[in-house]
Amino acid sequence: DTEVTQTPKHLVMGMTNKKSLKCEQHMGHRAMYWYKQKAKKPPELMFVYSYEKLSINESVPSRFSPECPNSSLLNLHLHALQPEDSALYLCASSQDPHTYNEQFFGPGTRLTVL
Amino acid sequence: DAKTTQPNSMESNEEEPVHLPCNHSTISGTDYIHWYRQLPSQGPEYVIHGLTSNVNNRMASLAIAEDRKSSTLILHRATLRDAAVYYCILRSGGGADGLTFGKGTHLIIQP
Repeated sequence: DTEVTQTPKHLVMGMTNKKSLKCEQHMGHRAMYWYKQKAKKPPELMFVYSYEKLSINESVPSRFSPECPNSSLLNLHLHALQPEDSALYLCASSQDPHTYNEQFFGPGTRLTVL
Repeated sequence: DAKTTQPNSMESNEEEPVHLPCNHSTISGTDYIHWYRQLPSQGPEYVIHGLTSNVNNRMASLAIAEDRKSSTLILHRATLRDAAVYYCILRSGGGADGLTFGKGTHLIIQP
């Protein structure tokens, strides 16, 4: 199984809502990532988890809260988002945080904030 | 991170080879050159990577200049399915550092 799955595929939320994005992989990978991609732009790194611990936060606003409950699962909790946060949110994983392994990406969750 | 420069877009015909260039004149000795591509409505996917020597895999070949200031991704026989945005990325360090994507090259394949 070389797949990273993300749910939901699409999400529409209001600025006062709380929602979560979910990412799962069963490849035994120990590094997981969140990226944000605005329309017609390249992906931008948000967070990196290494062995279930947050290792990189690219100065992301606190309305985005990542969580890694176990080595297979990565969540992104959303609260009080702004319309400019509308984007494609991509999850990725790689085998070993300490080597140049390829990253496997999920298909993304397309988020619209009204 | 060292910067890469790629053409905004390129066009090629189906079943012909495609050479996608990338300039990285400030590359350091420990930077690996990685290529990813993103097909429409999908997440990026890994294509190939190398350090100094040319590399081949089932998807593509990577030709690295002797001074390492540039590289070329070669698709030997393009198909319509290869239409995508191709990103050339430098990776340094040994940790889970994430990927820093540039603007990439939008490859258009004509039937």
